[in-house]
Amino acid sequence: QTVVTQEPSFSVSPGGTVTLTCGLSSGSVSTSYYPSWYQQTPGQAPRTLIYSTNTRSSGVPNRFSGSILGNKAALTITGAQADDESDYYCVLYMGSGNVFFGGGTKLTVL
Amino acid sequence: EVQLVESGGGLVQPGGSLRLSCAASGFTFSSYEMNWVRQAPGKGLEWVSYISSSGSTKYYAGSVRGRFTISRDNAKNALYLQMNSLRVEDTAVYYCARYGREADFDSWGQGTLVTVSS
Repeated sequence: QTVVTQEPSFSVSPGGTVTLTCGLSSGSVSTSYYPSWYQQTPGQAPRTLIYSTNTRSSGVPNRFSGSILGNKAALTITGAQADDESDYYCVLYMGSGNVFFGGGTKLTVL
Repeated sequence: EVQLVESGGGLVQPGGSLRLSCAASGFTFSSYEMNWVRQAPGKGLEWVSYISSSGSTKYYAGSVRGRFTISRDNAKNALYLQMNSLRVEDTAVYYCARYGREADFDSWGQGTLVTVSS
């Protein structure tokens, strides 16, 4: 069974930098899984931030960046702002009909 | 502007059926693959189902396979999800999501709430 792992919660100070990760319970995340990242605030639909590992979606500020760090996908927020306080989800595409969301990371900015 | 508007959610008893719809506009619907993604109250996102642009290929999460059916009508720019044999654990907000060119969900609807309860 494929399990995509994310930190349940993370905290960052305003103006600080934080890196959220997206891993696999078994194995490594690679660019061939087309990792993507989504931001969601309570009561709202998800918003696409990053796709194909490191491509920012249209309109996404450049303080958001994606990468592969070691054996995980990573989302880095540089210069965190108060309105970055949200839930963040990663998705891995592992072939036809095999799409897996991570459990999400609740980011607090304080 | 891409718009996806879901409808059809509501309260249904366990074992019942419901059909969700997603009206698409602002893009050439017939050129895009589409998905349904759901989110149970207070929980994370879960991919539910995929359909190819022509409708010829469909995939389902194991949790819904055999009970849910995805379909589309390209002439009407509409996506559907027929949900049968509903369970309490199917309670969730259901989102319609367009598949981008890089296996990403590049546009989302606002969601429709399905509540399965007696």
